[in-house]
Amino acid sequence: DTAVSQTPKYLVTQMGNDKSIKCEQNLGHDTMYWYKQDSKKFLKIMFSYNNKELIINETVPNRFSPKSPDKAHLNLHINSLELGDSAVYFCASSQPGTNEKLFFGSGTQLSVL
Amino acid sequence: GNSVTQMEGPVTLSEEAFLTINCTYTATGYPSLFWYVQYPGEGLQLLLKATKADDKGSNKGFEATYRKETTSFHLEKGSVQVSDSAVYFCALRGQGAQKLVFGQGTRLTINP
Repeated sequence: DTAVSQTPKYLVTQMGNDKSIKCEQNLGHDTMYWYKQDSKKFLKIMFSYNNKELIINETVPNRFSPKSPDKAHLNLHINSLELGDSAVYFCASSQPGTNEKLFFGSGTQLSVL
Repeated sequence: GNSVTQMEGPVTLSEEAFLTINCTYTATGYPSLFWYVQYPGEGLQLLLKATKADDKGSNKGFEATYRKETTSFHLEKGSVQVSDSAVYFCALRGQGAQKLVFGQGTRLTINP
């Protein structure tokens, strides 16, 4: 069974469209994250939720809105997509505590044309 | 703020060569340090970690020692294999912090 699964794996869309990426984890973790990886492989945190509450919100445009309906799900909605949004988006989860390990999904490659 | 700097890639080696990927960090207090690996088409996986000074993390033949005096956590492996080809990320979590900060990643290619 996949621990952290995200859909879709690939997403190709036009500028100006609105799209969503879904993430689910079956590990029973309380904390979930969204990371963005650019074309140079640089990985940067965007958001983190702990038990459905937002705890980390980095400097991300308002067009990005995370939603956590329950602690096993963290979805990412993006409005008015721009060329610069093209990247690989990774969902991850962990269990709060000291030095907890992050479990990553396999990524969603978003291409904005 | 906390930051991680890794050796620039890409790194290309022959099978059975010795590997070092340098990682240095900037942080206050006593961060925890990690190496994550990303195989092609996959998400990141934890490779090893160290939580206090002089700790050595090890896994799959890879090792890294937490050196507070040099603020480093270099990744080493004595004899690499083709299957080690991947992107390697050094990361830290600040003392008491929630967020994991990643380095820029180092792409490693091992040729047979």
